[in-house]
Amino acid sequence: RKEVEQDPGPFNVPEGATVAFNCTYSNSASQSFFWYRQDCRKEPKLLMSVYSSGNEDGRFTAQLNRASQYISLLIRDSKLSDSATYLCVVPFSGGYNKLIFGAGTRLAVHP
Amino acid sequence: EPEVTQTPSHQVTQMGQEVILRCVPISNHLYFYWYRQILGQKVEFLVSFYNNEISEKSEIFDDQFSVERPDGSNFTLKIRSTKLEDSAMYFCASRVQEGGNQPQHFGDGTRLSIL
Repeated sequence: RKEVEQDPGPFNVPEGATVAFNCTYSNSASQSFFWYRQDCRKEPKLLMSVYSSGNEDGRFTAQLNRASQYISLLIRDSKLSDSATYLCVVPFSGGYNKLIFGAGTRLAVHP
Repeated sequence: EPEVTQTPSHQVTQMGQEVILRCVPISNHLYFYWYRQILGQKVEFLVSFYNNEISEKSEIFDDQFSVERPDGSNFTLKIRSTKLEDSAMYFCASRVQEGGNQPQHFGDGTRLSIL
């Protein structure tokens, strides 16, 4: 299994749609997780941290299933500005917590 | 909101030349990182730096690469004798303290183009 694996997409959805992205990770010792957003040729920007079973921030909900080593990101009421690549990121447990990135899921929201 | 800053935004260099990429991390952060992203590929870890020394490095970070924090603010990545395959976006990141639940904050990157 890859260290961090994501749906490659692209997901093409209309404005207002609900869309969900999946991510699986291989290191069962990982304790915390992040979703970052990356616009084309820009830096990754932190979207959400996921520590326990999940958390919600406005239109965004992240869920964590440790038994299945699975993380999801749900976006409700999609906006045009949500169009980006969503990166599932897992800190490497131990050491100095280098980040292990998934390849990203591309989202395109259209009018 | 404090941010990580990187210079230059774009560097074009002839193969075989040396380049230095510069980063100013967020001022109260203690852990510093370099990542790179080849066009169309995922972000890859290069090196982490803490307490004025390298704490971890990847297989990519060979003798061609070096990092230093010469003056307590700038954090630099030097690439000696650049190769075509070094062309990528290079991101600097910093983190405030130990603990896996602290996110890393990224600079806006330097696009390195090797000709």
